[in-house]
Amino acid sequence: DTGVSQDPRHKITKRGQNVTFRCDPISEHNRLYWYRQTLGQGPEFLTYFQNEAQLEKSRLLSDRFSAERPKGSFSTLEIQRTEQGDSAMYLCASSSFLSPNTEAFFGQGTRLTVV
Amino acid sequence: AQRVTQPEKLLSVFKGAPVELKCNYSYSGSPELFWYVQYSRQRLQLLLRHISRESIKGFTADLNKGETSFHLKKPFAQEEDSAMYYCALRDSGGYNKLIFGAGTRLAVHP
Repeated sequence: DTGVSQDPRHKITKRGQNVTFRCDPISEHNRLYWYRQTLGQGPEFLTYFQNEAQLEKSRLLSDRFSAERPKGSFSTLEIQRTEQGDSAMYLCASSSFLSPNTEAFFGQGTRLTVV
Repeated sequence: AQRVTQPEKLLSVFKGAPVELKCNYSYSGSPELFWYVQYSRQRLQLLLRHISRESIKGFTADLNKGETSFHLKKPFAQEEDSAMYYCALRDSGGYNKLIFGAGTRLAVHP
């Protein structure tokens, strides 16, 4: 599968623990997005990277959340001191800057359960 | 505020029946709208976009600016159409991020 890859697919953690998710976008894509999807809702934007630069962060991204894309390739999303309200599906998507109307390709997501 | 509303959480039809999944949006300016689909155990994928004015898998969607709607239609539903459907709006703030509706589950029964 040469699409967007996310790891792990599932994560169960205790409240208060830190978790980190990884996203590997499609190799030639320089735009990378993180979304969060809670039960019964559509994906909600969290943050955007263009190459290694984090250009936009949603108000949903509290101080406990941090995202990086150090070399403009893969990205990580870390949640510190997890809370039960962080339980959700975290989706990564990528697209190419070269074509403004290109579609965003989504990964299969990481499902986080905070117990 | 930019917003996408999908009023139906579930749409249940029989095979061969027409399907219309509703989507309304709130946006100032010229919107760019999409339908994404998620089949069971698969990733979210683009179904169609309004600027392409295309028909994919028999589905079409017409942008109605007067009614601020972008309903998805198919004249004859198939069992393999059963999936979650999300309407999405490209945010005007740049960077091509998407604003999604809550989604509608389409269940097509034999």
